[in-house]
Amino acid sequence: GAVVSQHPSWVICKSGTSVKIECRSLDFQATTMFWYRQFPKQSLMLMATSNEGSKATYEQGVEKDKFLINHASLTLSTLTVTSAHPEDSSFYICSGGGRESHEQYFGPGTRLTVT
Amino acid sequence: AQSVAQPEDQVNVAEGNPLTVKCTYSVSGNPYLFWYVQYPNRGLQFLLKYITGDNLVKGSYGFEAEFNKSQTSFHLKKPSALVSDSALYFCAVRASGDYKLSFGAGTTVTVRA
Repeated sequence: GAVVSQHPSWVICKSGTSVKIECRSLDFQATTMFWYRQFPKQSLMLMATSNEGSKATYEQGVEKDKFLINHASLTLSTLTVTSAHPEDSSFYICSGGGRESHEQYFGPGTRLTVT
Repeated sequence: AQSVAQPEDQVNVAEGNPLTVKCTYSVSGNPYLFWYVQYPNRGLQFLLKYITGDNLVKGSYGFEAEFNKSQTSFHLKKPSALVSDSALYFCAVRASGDYKLSFGAGTTVTVRA
């Protein structure tokens, strides 16, 4: 199946700093990428949808100025958490979908801890 | 709007016994249905999907699911559970023509030896 990688797998940062998370589709072109947030033992919450070369579409309640998403190429999307605070600590998961695929392929996730 | 319900937070079975994880959905139009499994601190692994065709879908690791349109259900089953099947299972749905997936709350499966 298609492979999606995320980097870093875990990161600890201080409150007020910014953190960038990369999501790469390794063996397919992801025309659409999704970013999810997951709290412990809870379901995935869709944060935003991005299409290559255009602005991301954010879900209601997600601050677009805080969670900056860039989808500059068909294989790379980045999520930058700006001015991170402890409440931003979470598990962030990306996924990618190809033009012909019915399904999304998920990355392994990034654990963010803000101290 | 689309939604998924997984009525059981937790399912406990003995190894070797059948395993069933329930899922019902609501969507406009034809549904695309998926099951994913998540191990601690990992992303989601794809198990199986229903797009069209045979209502009984076979997937990875011996899992299968049956699409029931009249009951709007897509229950996940495994005839003989293994301890290694212990994990968090998510059912997801999207409408055909839409990329957005809606996930259920998840069901924690514990298989005891």
